[in-house]
Amino acid sequence: DQQVKQNSPSLSVQEGRISILNCDYTNSMFDYFLWYKKYPAEGPTFLISISSIKDKNEDGRFTVFLNKSAKHLSLHIVPSQPGDSAVYFCAASGSGGTSYGKLTFGQGTILTVHP
Amino acid sequence: ETGVTQSPTHLIKTRGQQVTLRCSSQSGHNTVSWYQQALGQGPQFIFQYYREEENGRGNFPPRFSGLQFPNYSSELNVNALELDDSALYLCASTWDRGGGGYTFGSGTRLTVV
Repeated sequence: DQQVKQNSPSLSVQEGRISILNCDYTNSMFDYFLWYKKYPAEGPTFLISISSIKDKNEDGRFTVFLNKSAKHLSLHIVPSQPGDSAVYFCAASGSGGTSYGKLTFGQGTILTVHP
Repeated sequence: ETGVTQSPTHLIKTRGQQVTLRCSSQSGHNTVSWYQQALGQGPQFIFQYYREEENGRGNFPPRFSGLQFPNYSSELNVNALELDDSALYLCASTWDRGGGGYTFGSGTRLTVV
């Protein structure tokens, strides 16, 4: 079963506009959520995270929103730049025991930002 | 900090063979996790090692095994390779199980023929 889902395989956005990437999860034990960016031939790079005690976290052009009741999170990139073109993965982890630190990833969304 | 390095970058093996993939964790990181990423999918958690002991395992059979060494390097061993084991294998390290702040290597692309 897919506990973390990214339902949009791809997203195309014009440079300067907002990119919104979405992620849904089913496991209510998840309490920490992360976004990773991956370029071809490289490993995933950490972008931003959010704890379940918050509903928003900002870091420069990147903002993550968490809606716990809907089990939904989103990543907003404003303004989008061509260098943001990559695969974006949503990931989640729980706390306590052996689930601590184990990341469950979504399938990824390919973001393309056009100049 | 030297980052996370993995070797080899590419590998081709025959079905039934055994393979060992290697990872050198970021300096000071005592926790390492291994992930399998099939084409078009997100990484799937294989297992995690913390202070040289297995500290959590995903839904992978026992023929996937690992080791972590005191110098922060680690290995992923896969026995009796199957065609479906063809994937990108990612190593990620952090300090004290991290809760998510992992640094990933670039991966080893394994092809089983």
